[in-house]
Amino acid sequence: AQKVTQAQTEISVVEKEDVTLDCVYETRDTTYYLFWYKQPPSGELVFLIRRNSFDEQNEISGRYSWNFQKSTSSFNFTITASQVVDSAVYFCALSANDYKLSFGAGTTVTVRA
Amino acid sequence: NAGVTQTPKFRVLKTGQSMTLLCAQDMNHEYMYWYRQDPGMGLRLIHYSVGEGTTAKGEVPDGYNVSRLKKQNFLLGLESAAPSQTSVYFCASSYPSGTSPGELFFGEGSRLTVL
Repeated sequence: AQKVTQAQTEISVVEKEDVTLDCVYETRDTTYYLFWYKQPPSGELVFLIRRNSFDEQNEISGRYSWNFQKSTSSFNFTITASQVVDSAVYFCALSANDYKLSFGAGTTVTVRA
Repeated sequence: NAGVTQTPKFRVLKTGQSMTLLCAQDMNHEYMYWYRQDPGMGLRLIHYSVGEGTTAKGEVPDGYNVSRLKKQNFLLGLESAAPSQTSVYFCASSYPSGTSPGELFFGEGSRLTVL
């Protein structure tokens, strides 16, 4: 069985601060995929990244970066120089050799101006 | 670009009533999913389908049924609604990538209230 834990329920920061969202996963499979999705206040779910278990390179996309560490089963997400538009619920998800995505409970990020 | 369309967007039911949520995708995706989202619990998988005519149970299937008679449509049915089924329901579709479902494309959600 797979499990995703996002221990941080809510994070509040002031604009321009960096914020890191933790994601810890559990799976017995050696091949698996990790995802991050964003859900802004409007409610839609927006895909951010997909990473497979064989690629441990960190990824940067603009102000977003992801740190994948198999040794600690973590796939953390950092927003650099946060902006009000980054306010959203962020979900980490896992798929392991099957057709399904298992989601964490989500972390609500509030960026104050 | 329609993508994934869910109908209806909002519905209020009385306990014991039945209803069907329709999900339609125009991307020729093989996989389709129904999730429910409840506060503090993230998205939980109800049922999914890996192809036309196939369905499988997810994490929380009780009280729901599904059908995938056409590749582009995935129906979620509640035969006898209960207040515990008050939730926001999301449909998603994807094209397989290796052994992974690939990126999931989500509908806008359907808010269901059971009184």
